[in-house]
Amino acid sequence: ETGVTQSPTHLIKTRGQQVTLRCSSQSGHNTVSWYQQALGQGPQFIFQYYREEENGRGNFPPRFSGLQFPNYSSELNVNALELDDSALYLCASSLPDRVGEQFFGPGTRLTVL
Amino acid sequence: DAKTTQPTSMDCAEGRAANLPCNHSTISGNEYVYWYRQIHSQGPQYIIHGLKNNETNEMASLIITEDRKSSTLILPHATLRDTAVYYCIVRHDYKLSFGAGTTVTVRA
Repeated sequence: ETGVTQSPTHLIKTRGQQVTLRCSSQSGHNTVSWYQQALGQGPQFIFQYYREEENGRGNFPPRFSGLQFPNYSSELNVNALELDDSALYLCASSLPDRVGEQFFGPGTRLTVL
Repeated sequence: DAKTTQPTSMDCAEGRAANLPCNHSTISGNEYVYWYRQIHSQGPQYIIHGLKNNETNEMASLIITEDRKSSTLILPHATLRDTAVYYCIVRHDYKLSFGAGTTVTVRA
């Protein structure tokens, strides 16, 4: 059974640029959630995808967007990067009837300069 | 979502039971209590969840009070590898709302 994988591991961007982060869900999991974790804080929910549709969204601006593909993998896109976007971005997958039991990837560390 | 309150940090001796408290006095009848932990530089890991009954799995036990306003996660025999931030979450819908959690340090 393959766990959740994310790429890249680390990324450095400058303010105003755009970034795409990728996530492959655990085998058989068709629900993917994305979280942002600032240093020293708990993860904050960005949005969730189920069957290629956004299923719910947290308190993040529209410049945070996502996609889910037919193989359940997912992308997080962030436009017009700001310094405060520097964080660990976590992807988690789950089964739709067990959405509270989420399996997290190792995260992508984004640094915005 | 109901708010949770956890101690900021706690220490535990290796081999002893670790009891992690969580208050969730505003929990609603259909909201579940979930526990996750996050070891340094890793993604969070699901531990256990429950609604009103006590639950046990290979990792831990979850004790929920009868009024459901608080719960305790029990790690029966803490090891150094249990050093992590432990999050208590009350889940109502599709998302997990993480607070600051409890930093648990297991000491030899």
